[in-house]
Amino acid sequence: EIVMTQSPATLSVSPGERVTLSCRASQSIGSNVAWYQQIPGQAPRLLIYGASTRATGIPARFSGSGSGTEFTLTISSLQSEDFAVYHCQQHNNWPYTFGQGAKLEIK
Amino acid sequence: QVQLVQSGAEVKKPGASVKVSCKASGFTFSDYYIHWVRQAPGQGLEWMGYINPYRDGTNTAQKFQGRVTMTWDTSISTAYMDLSRLRSDDTAVYYCVRDGFGKSLYGWFDPWGQGTLVTVSS
Repeated sequence: EIVMTQSPATLSVSPGERVTLSCRASQSIGSNVAWYQQIPGQAPRLLIYGASTRATGIPARFSGSGSGTEFTLTISSLQSEDFAVYHCQQHNNWPYTFGQGAKLEIK
Repeated sequence: QVQLVQSGAEVKKPGASVKVSCKASGFTFSDYYIHWVRQAPGQGLEWMGYINPYRDGTNTAQKFQGRVTMTWDTSISTAYMDLSRLRSDDTAVYYCVRDGFGKSLYGWFDPWGQGTLVTVSS
């Protein structure tokens, strides 16, 4: 089973700032990473798949990069609605596995 | 629009079973893999398995084999997840999710159902 490790677990940032979240896979998974946003009390929402492809309707301020074992999600200018928990997930092979989540909170 | 609507919250006693339903609309149900993912309170996401109506198959994560049964009824575009021998650590929100673009297995999930809270308590 592939272990996905996210860092940091919590990040305190101000609106308008640029933020980068990291995700590391325990073995090489090509470009097969997805990112999800989860607002408390809601279901997750797909942001990125294939490491860098934005899902339908996702704003351009969200971007993903990486390959192999190291991946990042960047939000270019944080909006108030972006304060949430972000999950990475490997979709290279099953069992599909998720990181533990990274919480963005307002500084 | 593409939508997955799940059944309501359940409270069960340890050792019992629970069956969660997931009704799809806005797309051809039989063309897509449907997965089940759960999230314990304050915890991360955990993949449980998928159904493949297109090729008439299922796949269950090893952790849940023997306790999870995933079925579907194409005529009403509905998937079901049955979890037996419930324990307190099965308390979680259970989500059904659609896979990728259809026909093939992509492994990323969009959209998600609204979630079904299953509480296991004596």
